[in-house]
Amino acid sequence: ILNVEQSPQSLHVQEGDSTNFTCSFPSSNFYALHWYRWETAKSPEALFVMTLNGDEKKKGRISATLNTKEGYSYLYIKGSQPEDSATYLCAFAGGTSYGKLTFGQGTILTVHP
Amino acid sequence: GAGVSQSPSNKVTEKGKDVELRCDPISGHTALYWYRQSLGQGLEFLIYFQGNSAPDKSGLPSDRFSAERTGGSVSTLTIQRTQQEDSAVYLCASSLVVVANTEAFFGQGTRLTVV
Repeated sequence: ILNVEQSPQSLHVQEGDSTNFTCSFPSSNFYALHWYRWETAKSPEALFVMTLNGDEKKKGRISATLNTKEGYSYLYIKGSQPEDSATYLCAFAGGTSYGKLTFGQGTILTVHP
Repeated sequence: GAGVSQSPSNKVTEKGKDVELRCDPISGHTALYWYRQSLGQGLEFLIYFQGNSAPDKSGLPSDRFSAERTGGSVSTLTIQRTQQEDSAVYLCASSLVVVANTEAFFGQGTRLTVV
């Protein structure tokens, strides 16, 4: 069983704050690490797909880094806005399957105006 | 279609009845996943169809659960003799290729309530 863990479980920040969350995953037989944003009443949407150690991806105010050797990824949000409120999920592919995505429990972010 | 489509969006069923949940993936996507989210839980992997290879059924919680994907397109998840613990949101996703170096696209989910 692959262990994908996210922390913190939930986070409350004020509008304008910068924040970050962590995803940890097995450091052996790594293939890919995904980040998704899941807003209430919507479908999860992909933010990033990362495959190389040291990858850094950016989309607007959101960025992510990847360390496959130690098995962690960070997601950063700069200048949080209320519309960033959502559950952020990471998903790991590796081990014996390069296709199957195993998700973490998610970090619930609430941004207060 | 433009995205992944799931039906029904909501289903209320009596304990002991069978249910079928349908997923229409994005045309041309070779990989198809089923997940579920029970109350207060994360996304739990159920089954993964990987092109022409045998599906990975390792996440199906019991033999009451089965899924098929006909013609490499539409998929149906069947739950027989439903139990209250089967109540959850069932999500389907598809991906262009069978290896996870491209994003997965999710449907809106089917909320199943077993009463």
